[in-house]
Amino acid sequence: NAGVTQTPKFRVLKTGQSMTLLCAQDMNHEYMYWYRQDPGMGLRLIHYSVGEGTTAKGEVPDGYNVSRLKKQNFLLGLESAAPSQTSVYFCASGYHGQGKETQYFGPGTRLLVL
Amino acid sequence: GENVEQHPSTLSVQEGDSAVIKCTYSDSASNYFPWYKQELGKRPQLIIDIRSNVGEKKDQRIAVTLNKTAKHFSLHITETQPEDSAVYFCAASNSFGNTGKLIFGQGTTLQVKP
Repeated sequence: NAGVTQTPKFRVLKTGQSMTLLCAQDMNHEYMYWYRQDPGMGLRLIHYSVGEGTTAKGEVPDGYNVSRLKKQNFLLGLESAAPSQTSVYFCASGYHGQGKETQYFGPGTRLLVL
Repeated sequence: GENVEQHPSTLSVQEGDSAVIKCTYSDSASNYFPWYKQELGKRPQLIIDIRSNVGEKKDQRIAVTLNKTAKHFSLHITETQPEDSAVYFCAASNSFGNTGKLIFGQGTTLQVKP
């Protein structure tokens, strides 16, 4: 049981390049989330999904797109990277329902946009 | 929308002393309040959580208190140890909202001096 995994761990991009971050979970969780973490700003929600085939915008969605074609995977895409997207990206997943609200985080992806 | 304020942003204590971190939330519908600990370079991990039908919860040296009327909750760590040094995040959620979304505070960097 690997929990939540993220690929890649670290990436350097040039401004304007595109990339996809992959999040995978093997806990059969309905909910999945993408956050970015910047110094002094906590964890900010980019996009989230409440089930396979569904996605919704979070607090800071601009410049990102997501897809959840399979229940266990949640992809975060940057179509045209900007230096402002330099950050650490965390994926999280969780169950649906009362008493099951805990979110479990992946190890993070460190992205540097030059 | 929901907002969570966390104070202080940094906290330095001597080993063996107590540490208290406070958070306030804006949405009176919030009913789930987790605390996450993030060690340097690691993922956030849940250390304790509390629901709105409970005023206090303890787990060994860690306790969380909730004041629904004032809309604030606090993390208390007693007998601090160097391994408690980390960034701590509070969060709030409305578990009836069927999204599982967490709104995080900005984080508190706790340093425990030996």
